[in-house]
Amino acid sequence: NAGVTQTPKFRVLKTGQSMTLLCAQDMNHEYMYWYRQDPGMGLRLIHYSVGEGTTAKGEVPDGYNVSRLKKQNFLLGLESAAPSQTSVYFCASSLMYGGENYGYTFGSGTRLTVV
Amino acid sequence: AQSVTQLDSQVPVFEEAPVELRCNYSSSVSVYLFWYVQYPNQGLQLLLKYLSGSTLVKGINGFEAEFNKSQTSFHLRKPSVHISDTAEYFCAVSALLAQKLVFGQGTRLTINP
Repeated sequence: NAGVTQTPKFRVLKTGQSMTLLCAQDMNHEYMYWYRQDPGMGLRLIHYSVGEGTTAKGEVPDGYNVSRLKKQNFLLGLESAAPSQTSVYFCASSLMYGGENYGYTFGSGTRLTVV
Repeated sequence: AQSVTQLDSQVPVFEEAPVELRCNYSSSVSVYLFWYVQYPNQGLQLLLKYLSGSTLVKGINGFEAEFNKSQTSFHLRKPSVHISDTAEYFCAVSALLAQKLVFGQGTRLTINP
């Protein structure tokens, strides 16, 4: 049972380049999320999805786009990378059952450096 | 909207000593509360959660947390820590019946031998 898988694990980009981070989950979770983690700032929500074909903005969406064409996959895109997007990116998924939030399952992260 | 404040950014303790990591939240509605642990260069793992019922919640690795509604707190405790507990700990909150979690800034727990 793989849980949540993120690819790639590491990436170095030049300013202005584009890339897509892939998140895949095999738990049939409806909800998926992209967070970024920066020192001293905890995790900040970039975008999220409440189901296949849906996306919504989180706390820090500028400079990012997302797509959820299949229930198991949630893609995060950077169209024109900037040094301020240097961060560790985490994908997570969750299931709400019986009205209760059982918490997130996280991927292992993608460390992105923009030079 | 919900918010979370973790009162200590770093907590150094000696091995086998007790530890308390403090978490306060703000919300105008009832909440769910969570503690996650992040070991170096890894993702976050769920330690424990409070959904309802008993205010004392027991989690993995000997950790427990107590929900205090009047003080809007959800402090994490362990009676005796080990070197392997060295990690960053995150408190998180969501509104009742909601899915989105709001995370605190994290507390780095360092265990000294």
